[in-house]
Amino acid sequence: KAGVTQTPRYLIKTRGQQVTLSCSPISGHRSVSWYQQTPGQGLQFLFEYFSETQRNKGNFPGRFSGRQFSNSRSEMNVSTLELGDSALYLCASSYNFGGTSYEQYFGPGTRLTVT
Amino acid sequence: QKEVEQNSGPLSVPEGAIASLNCTYSDRVSQSFFWYRQYSGKSPELIMSIYSNGDKEDGRFTAQLNKASQYVSLLIRDSQPSDSATYLCAVNQAGTALIFGKGTTLSVSS
Repeated sequence: KAGVTQTPRYLIKTRGQQVTLSCSPISGHRSVSWYQQTPGQGLQFLFEYFSETQRNKGNFPGRFSGRQFSNSRSEMNVSTLELGDSALYLCASSYNFGGTSYEQYFGPGTRLTVT
Repeated sequence: QKEVEQNSGPLSVPEGAIASLNCTYSDRVSQSFFWYRQYSGKSPELIMSIYSNGDKEDGRFTAQLNKASQYVSLLIRDSQPSDSATYLCAVNQAGTALIFGKGTTLSVSS
């Protein structure tokens, strides 16, 4: 079974620009979560989508948004980029049964650098 | 604020020894517990999940859960240099987000 895929793998943007990252989950997984990882803050939860609905949201500003499509693929968008948005953005997918998401499997991540 | 605490390390063990990694969590109603391994420059890889009190073994890895003490641990037997990585503890309850600790760095010397 193919793993979680993320595109692009690397991205360099300028302050004030916006960026869209893409995630394709493992086949059969309907839950997709996004995380930001920085050396200082560790892994921080951004949001989770299940069946095209945002189910949970972390403590990030509204510049961070996401969506999920009917095929479970997900995108996240960051508008008006700031230097502090430089990070590794990770997507994880999980199997969901009865409203409960189980083990999460991570993609390789997108390394975003804002200059 | 739900928290997951881990000793940042580094935890240094010689090859062949047992490495013991610990994690405490603040949310008493947490139901699911996971250990991830992350090599430098890579994404986290799931190595163990545990849902009920007691021990769960998988090869050289044993996860131990004590809900009364709000404590979960990971034992790595016969540690190898290839086990050198950062180990992340993660916790959640049904329908909520997975909360990660900041990780413990393990160094296994040959």
